[in-house]
Amino acid sequence: DVKVTQSSRYLVKRTGEKVFLECVQDMDHENMFWYRQDPGLGLRLIYFSYDVKMKEKGDIPEGYSVSREKKERFSLILESASTNQTSMYLCATAASGNTIYFGEGSWLTVV
Amino acid sequence: QQPVQSPQAVILREGEDAVINCSSSKALYSVHWYRQKHGEAPVFLMILLKGGEQKGHDKISASFNEKKQQSSLYLTASQLSYSGTYFCGTERKYGNKLVFGAGTILRVKS
Repeated sequence: DVKVTQSSRYLVKRTGEKVFLECVQDMDHENMFWYRQDPGLGLRLIYFSYDVKMKEKGDIPEGYSVSREKKERFSLILESASTNQTSMYLCATAASGNTIYFGEGSWLTVV
Repeated sequence: QQPVQSPQAVILREGEDAVINCSSSKALYSVHWYRQKHGEAPVFLMILLKGGEQKGHDKISASFNEKKQQSSLYLTASQLSYSGTYFCGTERKYGNKLVFGAGTILRVKS
């Protein structure tokens, strides 16, 4: 079974703080993704990476950056958290053929 | 461009049927369906490729009408375990990133 692990399930951060969300996968998949999930808006792609050190912007990259130094690890960084970034963040991976496997999500509250 | 899902929500009694639609204004290569239960990760259900195919998975099946750029998910004789939010993800060409719809909330009552 594919395992996608998000290190933090629930976080509360203050406005302006730097936030790191970590994701690790154990299936040697090339592609990794960060989505944001909000009620009524579905899953929106923030960034994705198709190889180590490679990244591409998704649909809503503003206010976020990513890092992929190792194939199995993909980090989402909020340089200066704001209240409108309160959301659920989902990491996902995919091999060729594009079936996506999701992690369990990280609930971030920015106060 | 985000696909449009309909309905936004549906409530069923056990044993009833439901159809969830996913429409795109652009030509599609594939449509993926996922189900997410409350507090859990979305789980892959099935993928339909261009060519108008239909697939089945127990009492859950789906079709893809390439000409209409629309996919439909059919849930027959629904069970309590079918409750959750259903997402379609569309892909415009092979290897492109998936774009997901806003989701359809399905609740099955006993």
